Amino acid sequence: AQSVAQPEDQVNVAEGNPLTVKCTYSVSGNPYLFWYVQYPNRGLQFLLKYITGDNLVKGSYGFEAEFNKSQTSFHLKKPSALVSDSALYFCAVRDATGRRALTFGSGTRLQVQP
Amino acid sequence: KAGVTQTPRYLIKTRGQQVTLSCSPISGHRSVSWYQQTPGQGLQFLFEYFSETQRNKGNFPGRFSGRQFSNSRSEMNVSTLELGDSALYLCASSLEGTSTYEQYFGPGTRLTVT
Repeated sequence: AQSVAQPEDQVNVAEGNPLTVKCTYSVSGNPYLFWYVQYPNRGLQFLLKYITGDNLVKGSYGFEAEFNKSQTSFHLKKPSALVSDSALYFCAVRDATGRRALTFGSGTRLQVQP
Repeated sequence: KAGVTQTPRYLIKTRGQQVTLSCSPISGHRSVSWYQQTPGQGLQFLFEYFSETQRNKGNFPGRFSGRQFSNSRSEMNVSTLELGDSALYLCASSLEGTSTYEQYFGPGTRLTVT
């Protein structure tokens, strides 16, 4: 079975400060990892993915994520948060075989205060 | 390119009725997945289709069914609606059926069952 854990329901950060949204995963074999963001009353938008290669992945809107195989983590980061980054963030994992569907975490609400 | 479109955007049905939701993927995308999103259960996977074949199915009762047409458009049907079926139903498309490709989500259909 594969699973994703997002241990924080909500993360609060001041505008201009760095932000981290945590994600750990469990999967058989090599993982393919994704981050998505959801704004109110909208569908999910793709931010970035890790398939293979460099452990630091850069994505849209200045976000990046670091893949750590030993800690089975894929934390989302941004050096300087914007108020407009406030949204619901989902981490997702899929095994390399593709035999299982994409599995999402429970989501973390990011609140950036002015 | 136009994004993923879902129709209708909002729907109100009565318990016991049936409903059909439609999804048009991004042009050229052959894989379509459906998800149910609720505040309590988060994002739950329903089905995944690739080239008209169901590749994966989530843990939902048989009242939930889906199909994909030769033009990659997809429909999902829920029969004998229950109050608990009230949710945001999200459709996502991806370029191919392999694990490496990110999914692009539509805005969702908000289903309310009364």
